[in-house]
Amino acid sequence: DQQVKQNSPSLSVQEGRISILNCDYTNSMFDYFLWYKKYPAEGPTFLISISSIKDKNEDGRFTVFLNKSAKHLSLHIVPSQPGDSAVYFCAASARTGNQFYFGTGTSLTVIP
Amino acid sequence: EAGVTQFPSHSVIEKGQTVTLRCDPISGHDNLYWYRRVMGKEIKFLLHFVKESKQDESGMPNNRFLAERTGGTYSTLKVQPAELEDSGVYFCASSHGTLIGTDTQYFGPGTRLTVL
Repeated sequence: DQQVKQNSPSLSVQEGRISILNCDYTNSMFDYFLWYKKYPAEGPTFLISISSIKDKNEDGRFTVFLNKSAKHLSLHIVPSQPGDSAVYFCAASARTGNQFYFGTGTSLTVIP
Repeated sequence: EAGVTQFPSHSVIEKGQTVTLRCDPISGHDNLYWYRRVMGKEIKFLLHFVKESKQDESGMPNNRFLAERTGGTYSTLKVQPAELEDSGVYFCASSHGTLIGTDTQYFGPGTRLTVL
């Protein structure tokens, strides 16, 4: 039973444009959300996170938005660069636990 | 500072054989996690060590999987006997603490296990 879902397996975006990656979750106990980025043959690397007390967190070109009522979060990358091409995983956790629940990932390709 | 390392990077074995995966966490990290990703699916939690103790092993698939962390440093994950459905990429991660929101989990490059 998957509690974190990324329904788009892939996304292609032109360099310089905005990339929007989406994630939905089902467990209302989740209160901390993360995005990890993964290049081939490497492990996931932490990118950005957001606590449920916020609805937006920004770090440079990366912004994560959280809509708690819809149980939905998104990652915006502006402007997109070819080096952003990777698989992006959404993850969630509850403060009462230590494990992360991951989505299936979205493969982003930024076209030069 | 060295990151999380895993050995081997790839392993190909036949059904019924035994395989042992190793993870060396970042020095000083008491928390060590094992995850698995079956091709195309989500990264799934297997278990969590705090030092040498198993804090949470709720994600371990069955008793063919045995994880150890003797001395609270490196960890091994043994699969015996391996089955076809055990194929996937096994990731190890470590963190200094467990405070969600401040203690990031750092992942290793993974071990790709193929069971034929």
